Amino acid sequence: GEDVEQSLFLSVREGDSSVINCTYTDSSSTYLYWYKQEPGAGLQLLTYIFSNMDMKQDQRLTVLLNKKDKHLSLRIADTQTGDSAIYFCAESPNTDKLIFGTGTRLQVFP
Amino acid sequence: EAEVAQSPRYKITEKSQAVAFWCDPISGHATLYWYRQILGQGPELLVQFQDESVVDDSQLPKDRFSAERLKGVDSTLKIQPAELGDSAMYLCASSLDPGNTIYFGEGSWLTVV
Repeated sequence: GEDVEQSLFLSVREGDSSVINCTYTDSSSTYLYWYKQEPGAGLQLLTYIFSNMDMKQDQRLTVLLNKKDKHLSLRIADTQTGDSAIYFCAESPNTDKLIFGTGTRLQVFP
Repeated sequence: EAEVAQSPRYKITEKSQAVAFWCDPISGHATLYWYRQILGQGPELLVQFQDESVVDDSQLPKDRFSAERLKGVDSTLKIQPAELGDSAMYLCASSLDPGNTIYFGEGSWLTVV
C-alpha cells in the first residue's frame, strides 16, 4: 500500500542545520517531493528528486534519497526563523497524484 | 509568477447547508486536483480532472460532495449538506499534465458549525 511517514516535530537553533526525514512505501514512485506549508497557507513546492538520483542540492537545501531503504531526507543549511513551517514529504506512485506524509513541524528558535 | 487561484479563502457554514469552492488553475494546466487537508494531517486527494473529465474520484464522498470542470479550465467543488467533519482546508492544485510538477493554491478554509 501507499504510506508516507514523517516525525511530527523538529526544533533547531537559528544557524544550525535541520534534517527532516521521511520513509515511503511505494518503490514505483518516479519523483519524491518536499513541500513547505506556512501557517494558514497552501503548499509551496520546495524541491523534488528523481528516483534514479541519490542526491540533489539547491542552494541551502539538500535532498538525499536512499531508494533501497525507501528513505528520503531534507537538509536545510543555516536554518533561519523564516524556515519555521510544516514540511511535507510526498511520493507519486502513479506519477500523476501525490501521497503526502503527515508533515514535520519545524520550529527555529533564536 | 502564475498561481492557482481559489475562493473563498475562508467560509463558515452551518451543518446541513450547502457550500461551494472555486478554483482557477494556472493557465494551460490540463490536470486539476482537489485535496482536503484536515488539521494536523497531510492533504488527501478528493478528485482529479484531466481537462473536463474526472480521472480519479475514488476518495470523494459522492453522497454529499460533487466536483465539476465543465470547460476544462476552472472548477467548482460543492458540499451538500455540510457536516461537522467536513471542517478542513480544501486545496486546489494543477499541473501541465500528469507526471509534471503539481502547484497548489492558498486553500479554502471551511468551518462547519
